Amino acid sequence: DQQVKQNSPSLSVQEGRISILNCDYTNSMFDYFLWYKKYPAEGPTFLISISSIKDKNEDGRFTVFLNKSAKHLSLHIVPSQPGDSAVYFCAASADTGAQKLVFGQGTRLTINP
Amino acid sequence: DTAVSQTPKYLVTQMGNDKSIKCEQNLGHDTMYWYKQDSKKFLKIMFSYNNKELIINETVPNRFSPKSPDKAHLNLHINSLELGDSAVYFCASSPDNSNQPQHFGDGTRLSIL
Repeated sequence: DQQVKQNSPSLSVQEGRISILNCDYTNSMFDYFLWYKKYPAEGPTFLISISSIKDKNEDGRFTVFLNKSAKHLSLHIVPSQPGDSAVYFCAASADTGAQKLVFGQGTRLTINP
Repeated sequence: DTAVSQTPKYLVTQMGNDKSIKCEQNLGHDTMYWYKQDSKKFLKIMFSYNNKELIINETVPNRFSPKSPDKAHLNLHINSLELGDSAVYFCASSPDNSNQPQHFGDGTRLSIL
């Protein structure tokens, strides 16, 4: 009963191009969504978030899009850089305190020079 | 100036032993968490404490007991270790405000022989 799913275990993108990571969820009570980035042997690092009252949030090269009707969110990275190579986790919360996060299984992004 | 620190980073032990993992945060956060990342790479919440009070307790065996001596520390004690306890355990913390991201430690890799 995985409520947050990242169906692509891996993604390979050319440097300078756009990286698009996808995430689907099943719980309609989720109202806050986050993306975390994780390097090997380190903990996840917060990247960007979006509240369900918005459909887009942008921070530099990173943009998160939320489609509530489709229960789908995506993370766009443009332009992609070698340092973006990492595992990206999507997470969701059903309470405004964002305290009980439900994570997807992650997508490994590789940026090729 | 590490924000969330866990010790030890690696823990190798025999089945049946009792072990502890320590976590400390210097961010002044009110809430701390323990997550388990299993072999399938899912990050799942185990416990959450707010100002030393247990607020989230997921379906976790009684062999796992969190202890919070103060709001900057949340330790995890595991009794009678089993093979299935092998995983990476992450500690995290967040402010006691709504929609604030959680900050993670670098994880403790527990291996049961």
